[in-house]
Amino acid sequence: QVHLQESGPGLVKPSETLSLMCNVSGDSIRIDDYFWSWFRQPPGKGLEWIGYISHTGTTHYNPSLASRLTVSVDTSKNQFSLSLASVTAADTAVYFCGRVKEVWGGYCDYWGRGTLVTVSS
Amino acid sequence: EIVLTQFPATLSVSPGERVTLSCRASRSFFSNLAWYQHKPGQAPRLLIYAAFTRATGVPARFSARGSGTDFTLTISSLQPEDFGVYYCQQYETWPPELTFGGGTKVEIK
Repeated sequence: QVHLQESGPGLVKPSETLSLMCNVSGDSIRIDDYFWSWFRQPPGKGLEWIGYISHTGTTHYNPSLASRLTVSVDTSKNQFSLSLASVTAADTAVYFCGRVKEVWGGYCDYWGRGTLVTVSS
Repeated sequence: EIVLTQFPATLSVSPGERVTLSCRASRSFFSNLAWYQHKPGQAPRLLIYAAFTRATGVPARFSARGSGTDFTLTISSLQPEDFGVYYCQQYETWPPELTFGGGTKVEIK
């Protein structure tokens, strides 16, 4: 059973960088055929895909966020991370990490519980 | 971008009833569609992938069908634990641009 756990600051100031980590347990992150992904859900709204990375470092990003986004992977620690620059109140959301099966764009077969990040001064 | 529209937005249903949730796509595709269940404070749960294939451990009361622009998820006999928000998600496009529907909230009467 794969388990994912998000961690990071719950409060970020406007114009600063939001940084989150996802720790993966129960399986190695070094597996083919999967991407390691970030999603978010603003308060009262639906889910949004942010972007994902393979264990070899190949990334794919949501075009609406790509200019501010970096997703990276640390296979030695079985972790991957999210960095979103120049945040505004619109980036306030619950952020989820997940494992995406590599089938066309992919679907997420394991998710973390999510962590709330609030952008406010 | 493929836009997914889910309806109804909310359903209030008694245990034992049959429930059908709908997901309509802005353009046609074959079967790269998934369904998830999400309860407050929990990790979303994959129910269905490839439009109609149940994920591991998902009870048989959950079934799905569809292709083209219209997809449905059916719960044959609603159980109290089935409350939550249900989302559809397409993974048809490459380069990837995963998109979700707005969700259907299922409430237990």
